[in-house]
Amino acid sequence: EVQLVQSGAEVKKPGESLRISCKGSGDSFTNYWIGWVRQMPGKGLEWMGIIYPGDSETRYSPAFQGQVTISADKSISTAYLRWSSLRASDTAMYYCARHVPISVVRGLKTYFYYYMDVWGIGTTVTVSS
Amino acid sequence: SSELTQDPAVSVALGQTVRITCQGDTFRSYSASWYQQKPGQAPLLVIYGKNNRPPGIPDRFSGSSSGNTASLTITGAQAEDEADYYCNSRDSTGDHLVVFGGGTKLTVL
Repeated sequence: EVQLVQSGAEVKKPGESLRISCKGSGDSFTNYWIGWVRQMPGKGLEWMGIIYPGDSETRYSPAFQGQVTISADKSISTAYLRWSSLRASDTAMYYCARHVPISVVRGLKTYFYYYMDVWGIGTTVTVSS
Repeated sequence: SSELTQDPAVSVALGQTVRITCQGDTFRSYSASWYQQKPGQAPLLVIYGKNNRPPGIPDRFSGSSSGNTASLTITGAQAEDEADYYCNSRDSTGDHLVVFGGGTKLTVL
């Protein structure tokens, strides 16, 4: 059974950089997509992007493309979410989650959509001057 | 803004049946998954695919879909079912690999 263990809460100043982590255990980390979900205070879930640790293929939500970097180190079963310059609006809870693909064939093309079956407990990021 | 639309709040009497809906063109092509989130906790998958429950999820939770609307039904709601519920799927235009609905706050009276 896979578990995702996230790094601890962070308090940062605007303009600082930050990397938070999500370590997988119990199952083959490299065989699953791992993604990140943001939840701002009192708000809903927002999907940020995913990575396949086996080959580091990464996909981003257009809303977060260029704002964050998702990476992974398969040798230590860990995925990362990085900001190069934080803003106050980055204050939120960040969850990592295992993404399981479901395939749908339409004509000659295969499409994938995902559900998230294992979640980390979240990492709180507070950005304040 | 989300292209999956959920009612912000729904209430149900204890032991009664409640349906939480999620509207979006994507459901003509893809199924919804549903997540339960209680205060201070991470989301928990309750339904995935057409109507599949992960291990440990009570069978009072079920999923269905018709046209552009996906539904999560709780048959015989319990006090512990009071939570926020989110739907998710893929966006219909292909620009967003994963999208969430805005969430529904379920109150069990």
